[in-house]
Amino acid sequence: ETGVTQTPRHLVMGMTNKKSLKCEQHLGHNAMYWYKQSAKKPLELMFVYSLEERVENNSVPSRFSPECPNSSHLFLHLHTLQPEDSALYLCASSQGQRRDTQYFGPGTRLTVL
Amino acid sequence: AQRVTQPEKLLSVFKGAPVELKCNYSYSGSPELFWYVQYSRQRLQLLLRHISRESIKGFTADLNKGETSFHLKKPFAQEEDSAMYYCALYNAGNMLTFGGGTRLMVKP
Repeated sequence: ETGVTQTPRHLVMGMTNKKSLKCEQHLGHNAMYWYKQSAKKPLELMFVYSLEERVENNSVPSRFSPECPNSSHLFLHLHTLQPEDSALYLCASSQGQRRDTQYFGPGTRLTVL
Repeated sequence: AQRVTQPEKLLSVFKGAPVELKCNYSYSGSPELFWYVQYSRQRLQLLLRHISRESIKGFTADLNKGETSFHLKKPFAQEEDSAMYYCALYNAGNMLTFGGGTRLMVKP
């Protein structure tokens, strides 16, 4: 499959569960991103990984933990989430991290019960 | 801190009418602005960026630094233009900040 893929597409979890979201890009890019899209707030950048550095939004709670084992794969590990964490989680990639166009995945719709 | 504001959550026009989706920003540096679009059941994708000064699907956007605006315009709306539109700004830290989005509905 080409472009940016995300699995699973839908996830329902309890507050005590541990789960992981996966993102894979097939574009040969060097930077990957996690965004949160909730109904009541603008699209919000959570984490950036690039060859140069990792950048995180300081407002993201520690119950979200990113992992980037290589330039093609990005994970978001989730544990002890809250119902307000229910949202669409989008992954994106870009050639570099220098104002390049970002290419988005389809998202994972997360529901926390 | 940078901020992107899209004052209209919903814009409804008839087919063939002109469209203007508003975007205002606040940023102390030299801004780089984008419009992204999300059609129904499709992923978010780039529509245009101000530095390329190109027209995509008939849409244009001009950066007005005096008014700190980057409004998206199209002279004649088509039904297939119905979608969510997001204005976005790159800051000095190369992080993209999005506006809240405007849903455009083009009625037949």
